[in-house]
Amino acid sequence: EVQLVESGGGLVQPGGSLRLSCAASGFTFSSHWMSWVRQAPGKGLEWVANIKQDGSEKYYVDSVKGRFTLSRDNAKNSLYLQMNSLRAEDTAVYYCARDGSDWFFDLWGRGTLVTVSS
Amino acid sequence: DIVMTQSPDSLAVALGERATINCKCSQSVLYRSNNKNYLAWYQQKPGQPPKLLIYWASTRESGVPDRFSGSGSGTDFTLTISSLQAEDVAVYYCQQYYSVPPTFGQGTKVEIK
Repeated sequence: EVQLVESGGGLVQPGGSLRLSCAASGFTFSSHWMSWVRQAPGKGLEWVANIKQDGSEKYYVDSVKGRFTLSRDNAKNSLYLQMNSLRAEDTAVYYCARDGSDWFFDLWGRGTLVTVSS
Repeated sequence: DIVMTQSPDSLAVALGERATINCKCSQSVLYRSNNKNYLAWYQQKPGQPPKLLIYWASTRESGVPDRFSGSGSGTDFTLTISSLQAEDVAVYYCQQYYSVPPTFGQGTKVEIK
């Protein structure tokens, strides 16, 4: 089955760190750009970051630059998001998404909730 | 960043009637070298992740019913549901992928009248 499964979310204090993982299956993971998209509770969608097939290019939304780091392991069909210096405004469901032939998203995971609160 | 503005924020349509959602981009998302509009539409039902409906402004994703159609060019786009079904109750988002960062509209909630 073609799917993405996120893990690693949870409750963390402001200033803390968390590492999200996304396990891909059912397709050739190494052939696709991959993204993280987040959705704050009751709010809309916000693209966070993406990474090229071989990991040589990465892009981030300004609000997470210098705090979040995206990486991938094609041998393990996995995508990772290291989140440091977390803020209350980072609270959201984080979705792993596969980039289509361009930077639209044709496959989504079910998401993992990150809550930043003291 | 390209700002995406959807209208209306919500609409209620009777079953079997047409639903129309508009999306306006703060700058053109038409790439002239290939004549493609870098615009996608998504459907998000409660408690579910978004689902891709339309890309390149008017190309339906595989498996999407043909009652969903996309149109427009440049800065103004429309998603039309030709005959609303109960299962179409959802929030719909447009997204541009013309430039980094990819950005989404604020969403339009579609309900049954």
